[in-house]
Amino acid sequence: AQRVTQPEKLLSVFKGAPVELKCNYSYSGSPELFWYVQYSRQRLQLLLRHISRESIKGFTADLNKGETSFHLKKPFAQEEDSAMYYCALSTLGRLYFGRGTQLTVWP
Amino acid sequence: DVKVTQSSRYLVKRTGEKVFLECVQDMDHENMFWYRQDPGLGLRLIYFSYDVKMKEKGDIPEGYSVSREKKERFSLILESASTNQTSMYLCASSFSAPSYEQYFGPGTRLTVT
Repeated sequence: AQRVTQPEKLLSVFKGAPVELKCNYSYSGSPELFWYVQYSRQRLQLLLRHISRESIKGFTADLNKGETSFHLKKPFAQEEDSAMYYCALSTLGRLYFGRGTQLTVWP
Repeated sequence: DVKVTQSSRYLVKRTGEKVFLECVQDMDHENMFWYRQDPGLGLRLIYFSYDVKMKEKGDIPEGYSVSREKKERFSLILESASTNQTSMYLCASSFSAPSYEQYFGPGTRLTVT
């Protein structure tokens, strides 16, 4: 069965520090993975997807099939990165979400 | 710009009332979805629809039903609202292919008293 695990419910870092939000998945096929972000009082929006291999707002995520992980990383966190982040796996047209990680970046 | 709109941002209903949550998208998306979002539980899929008049149960369909009479509109119905249905409800839509990226509405905060 498909499953997405985000082990950290809360994550706090100081501005300028590196940040890594962890995501592990279980899926027997070839996964399509996403990171979604929800800023305070805004709608949930796509941050990035693994197939595009792009960097958005300084964030990157690499799919590691051996470790079944898709961790989100940014070398220098900014205060405006404070938000709720969800990892999601897509299969058969639907998304399976992790429980989310609330990131707080302190000044 | 993709637009997914939901009929209400905030809604307060009494236990036992029938509740309708409406969602409209303007991108001609085939797929539409209803989630509830609860702290610590993430997003849980209630129902989804691949086409007009089609519906599929998600992970937590109990106590809910849906209706999709037109491609752009997907309604979530709480037949008899209960306090444990107090939550944030999110609607989303997507194309069938090539990308399954989902676009979300702003959410409806439903309180059942």
